[in-house]
Amino acid sequence: DTAVSQTPKYLVTQMGNDKSIKCEQNLGHDTMYWYKQDSKKFLKIMFSYNNKELIINETVPNRFSPKSPDKAHLNLHINSLELGDSAVYFCASSTQGNEQFFGPGTRLTVL
Amino acid sequence: DQQVKQNSPSLSVQEGRISILNCDYTNSMFDYFLWYKKYPAEGPTFLISISSIKDKNEDGRFTVFLNKSAKHLSLHIVPSQPGDSAVYFCAATTQGAQKLVFGQGTRLTINP
Repeated sequence: DTAVSQTPKYLVTQMGNDKSIKCEQNLGHDTMYWYKQDSKKFLKIMFSYNNKELIINETVPNRFSPKSPDKAHLNLHINSLELGDSAVYFCASSTQGNEQFFGPGTRLTVL
Repeated sequence: DQQVKQNSPSLSVQEGRISILNCDYTNSMFDYFLWYKKYPAEGPTFLISISSIKDKNEDGRFTVFLNKSAKHLSLHIVPSQPGDSAVYFCAATTQGAQKLVFGQGTRLTINP
């Protein structure tokens, strides 16, 4: 059983397009996150949602808009994609503790 | 401003020997530390953690040591096995902050 799943796993698109990445967790966690792993391999938090409410927004361009329809889902929509958005995006979830469980990642390539 | 640093990008260890991965942090507010393991094309998986009220936590072959005065932690794996070959990320947080700050990872290779 997949705990945190993301779709798609790979996404190749042209500059200027709009794309979405979906994330679902079946762990019953109340907090979900989006992280970005850039070309230098740093994993950096972008957003955190708790019970569908945004609690962390780490100075991410407003072209990135997370949406949480319910506490099991946190989707990431990106408008007007730029070359610098190419990265691996990881979704994660957690409960009250600090251990976060990660999805398999979505590799986004902007051409 | 990198608050969590793993200064060794790679480490190679012989099977059966001890692997020691190091991590330094600069933010004295951090009070909870975690190690994650990552295989290619997969997400990071939680390995072990330690609270700042402890200086050691052990789980099977994995032990994490915390030296608060030096702002340093290390992960010991003994004995090392081929399946331990992966990238290891150190992460730190302030409890309740719900935000992990990661190091840049160390690629561990276990040689048979």
